[in-house]
Amino acid sequence: GAGVSQSPSNKVTEKGKDVELRCDPISGHTALYWYRQRLGQGLEFLIYFQGNSAPDKSGLPSDRFSAERTGESVSTLTIQRTQQEDSAVYLCASSPMLTVAQPQHFGDGTRLSIL
Amino acid sequence: DQQVKQNSPSLSVQEGRISILNCDYTNSMFDYFLWYKKYPAEGPTFLISISSIKDKNEDGRFTVFLNKSAKHLSLHIVPSQPGDSAVYFCAVGGSNYKLTFGKGTLLTVNP
Repeated sequence: GAGVSQSPSNKVTEKGKDVELRCDPISGHTALYWYRQRLGQGLEFLIYFQGNSAPDKSGLPSDRFSAERTGESVSTLTIQRTQQEDSAVYLCASSPMLTVAQPQHFGDGTRLSIL
Repeated sequence: DQQVKQNSPSLSVQEGRISILNCDYTNSMFDYFLWYKKYPAEGPTFLISISSIKDKNEDGRFTVFLNKSAKHLSLHIVPSQPGDSAVYFCAVGGSNYKLTFGKGTLLTVNP
């Protein structure tokens, strides 16, 4: 499809397990962003990529979170040793260039539930 | 410390009337402002935006107003339609490439 694709759409896992969330951005989009939305909250910025580079990792909640992007395409967000407070919808977005002046196109998210 | 506040969690209007959604921000360095619309189980969809050099931007039924001195923006939808029922998020951005979102307002348009 032509939009941002995220997988899996839902993930249920036990506390302490590692999870990997995948994002396929729109082809040709240089910029890629990860957000988290907890229940009843707004979107919380996590990290952005320009090409394959993530210059600012300060938005990641803890060192259990990491993200990478390869081939200026697919990105993965990895959460190690998951905790219950990690339960949220994780959203990925992409845009043609790295600027807030261009709308970000969002995927439908991965709903992560930690038991 | 919320930098972007949408003080109304919900709003209900009649079909055909005007919907006004409000958003306040704290940092005067923000220079780009956007509204997104979100249906359940879907990602947010871009609706309309405005830069800090303007005070109004219109696109069909949607108009965004920016009052920089009050650090306030609003989204007007007129006439409102049942299909507009969704959660509306305002988002603000500056030079650090990061968008900061409000918590959203659930708009219900009644037929």
